Amino acid sequence: EAGVVQSPRYKIIEKKQPVAFWCNPISGHNTLYWYLQNLGQGPELLIRYENEEAVDDSQLPKDRFSAERLKGVDSTLKIQPAELGDSAVYLCASSLERGQTQYFGPGTRLLVL
Amino acid sequence: QQQVKQSPQSLIVQKGGISIINCAYENTAFDYFPWYQQFPGKGPALLIAIRPDVSEKKEGRFTISFNKSAKQFSLHIMDSQPGDSATYFCAASRDDYKLSFGAGTTVTVRA
Repeated sequence: EAGVVQSPRYKIIEKKQPVAFWCNPISGHNTLYWYLQNLGQGPELLIRYENEEAVDDSQLPKDRFSAERLKGVDSTLKIQPAELGDSAVYLCASSLERGQTQYFGPGTRLLVL
Repeated sequence: QQQVKQSPQSLIVQKGGISIINCAYENTAFDYFPWYQQFPGKGPALLIAIRPDVSEKKEGRFTISFNKSAKQFSLHIMDSQPGDSATYFCAASRDDYKLSFGAGTTVTVRA
């Protein structure tokens, strides 16, 4: 069974540029999560989707971050414009349903210069 | 505001030794306490989890001890092996979905 796929794995951009991350969850998983992991810290939830509906985005900085999960499968997380402080690893996770084990992808490591 | 506090930040153990990582939480509504293992360049992977109705859970060389009254739980890695070298995160949640993670413990097992 393929795991959670994320791309790109690494991204280097200059501040004020836009950037997008893509996530393909495990087949059949209805719940999808985006986490932010700063260096030396645990992941922090940004947004959770149940199918195509964002049901918890309270931690998403909506002035510059946006996300979508069209058709309830793949998801994209976008930052526009990126700031120096956005340098981190962006993790995607999925689970069969809410409350089931979360499976994480390898993450996208973002460096903003 | 960190809801789960984890210690130590790092530890070094000899092969065959015991690694112990501790976590404390404040929110008494938490009812699910998983531990995740993360290798460099990889995402966290669920290692073992416990619910507050039991005080201990063991899976192979990994054991969670849970103290509900003290609001603390710990991970014990018995007979530590070099392949166990990784970062370990404790977490807690209510209703299983919104995980609050600790800051992580980097474990190094010396051969």
